[in-house]
Amino acid sequence: EAEVAQSPRYKITEKSQAVAFWCDPISGHATLYWYRQILGQGPELLVQFQDESVVDDSQLPKDRFSAERLKGVDSTLKIQPAELGDSAMYLCASSLVQGSGETQYFGPGTRLLVL
Amino acid sequence: QKEVEQNSGPLSVPEGAIASLNCTYSDRGSQSFFWYRQYSGKSPELIMSIYSNGDKEDGRFTAQLNKASQYVSLLIRDSQPSDSATYLCALRNKLVFGAGTILRVKS
Repeated sequence: EAEVAQSPRYKITEKSQAVAFWCDPISGHATLYWYRQILGQGPELLVQFQDESVVDDSQLPKDRFSAERLKGVDSTLKIQPAELGDSAMYLCASSLVQGSGETQYFGPGTRLLVL
Repeated sequence: QKEVEQNSGPLSVPEGAIASLNCTYSDRGSQSFFWYRQYSGKSPELIMSIYSNGDKEDGRFTAQLNKASQYVSLLIRDSQPSDSATYLCALRNKLVFGAGTILRVKS
């Protein structure tokens, strides 16, 4: 069964350092999402891509976060510089098409700890 | 007011009982909803989607939607210890999740 892949699974970094997360969606899935989930809260959408284009990045803290999906397949989310409050689980999801009824499939997530 | 509200719990039920999880939403225009299950340290996995008023059943799970009252619920029949997890309600059209309800099923 096809799955969304993410790496690394765990990352520990010091504040002010740069970190990057990678996501490979299910083959053929045009829509890719990055979420941040702080412990005890639900996932919060950071950015949504349709192919290589950003559809929604209204919740992305653009002063320190960036995301790209250059070839419309895999994607990278970067934080520079990392802050203590960035400690969270970063989830990537993909769906076949963009639409209000389309099912998202989540990857295993990257757990980030900023010291 | 948050767009999606869930009681954080924990909700404790004995094995074999019915667990009832509730979610309210503020946007009357919301049309479609999802319920996800999330085990500790894992990513969310989709349980059910519901778009129409009324009930939708899938195995031991029943989702209920009442658009007039703006709430969605998930019933789990014959609860098992393996159902112990956090259950997330989500507005699909806005990609907004609730904070989740922790369910504990005691054997």
